[in-house]
Amino acid sequence: KAGVTQTPRYLIKTRGQQVTLSCSPISGHRSVSWYQQTPGQGLQFLFEYFSETQRNKGNFPGRFSGRQFSNSRSEMNVSTLELGDSALYLCASSLTGTGIYEKLFFGSGTQLSVL
Amino acid sequence: ELKVEQNPLFLSMQEGKNYTIYCNYSTTSDRLYWYRQDPGKSLESLFVLLSNGAVKQEGRLMASLDTKARLSTLHITAAVHDLSATYFCAVDGSLTQGGSEKLVFGKGTKLTVNP
Repeated sequence: KAGVTQTPRYLIKTRGQQVTLSCSPISGHRSVSWYQQTPGQGLQFLFEYFSETQRNKGNFPGRFSGRQFSNSRSEMNVSTLELGDSALYLCASSLTGTGIYEKLFFGSGTQLSVL
Repeated sequence: ELKVEQNPLFLSMQEGKNYTIYCNYSTTSDRLYWYRQDPGKSLESLFVLLSNGAVKQEGRLMASLDTKARLSTLHITAAVHDLSATYFCAVDGSLTQGGSEKLVFGKGTKLTVNP
């Protein structure tokens, strides 16, 4: 069974540009959530999608947005990149996101560097 | 706002010794997770703890949850070098009153097991 797939693995952008990251969940999983990991702030929740609808949202500016498609694949977009957006972006999938015994399975992440 | 605190943040121990990592959280939640992260890798799910008094064990790791004290512990028994990694606890913030964040993570405990 394939795991959570994130593309691209590495990305280098310059300030002011925008970027789109992709996440393909485990087959059958309908909940996808996104996290930002930095050495200073640690792991922070960005947003969660279920059945193409945003269900939960973290405390990030509007430059960070996401969406989910009918096949449960998800993308996140960051517009007007800032140096502080340099981070490892992880996505996680689970069956529904609310099942009592559900585990979240994480992808390998996209390492974004903003120059 | 849900806050999750882990301690210690750094732990250096000798093989064969026992130690405990602590995870405190500020708001009642019904779900707590423990994850392991190796350098440059993604997060690997270790345990999901759901109820007061829950105890789960896998190999040399044992996790417990006290919802009244809002405290979870990860106990390491007879440590071996392969356990060297960063360990995170995370609380499901969407299950807290007024919560909107899917997972709120602690800062992580970097464990180094020396021969």
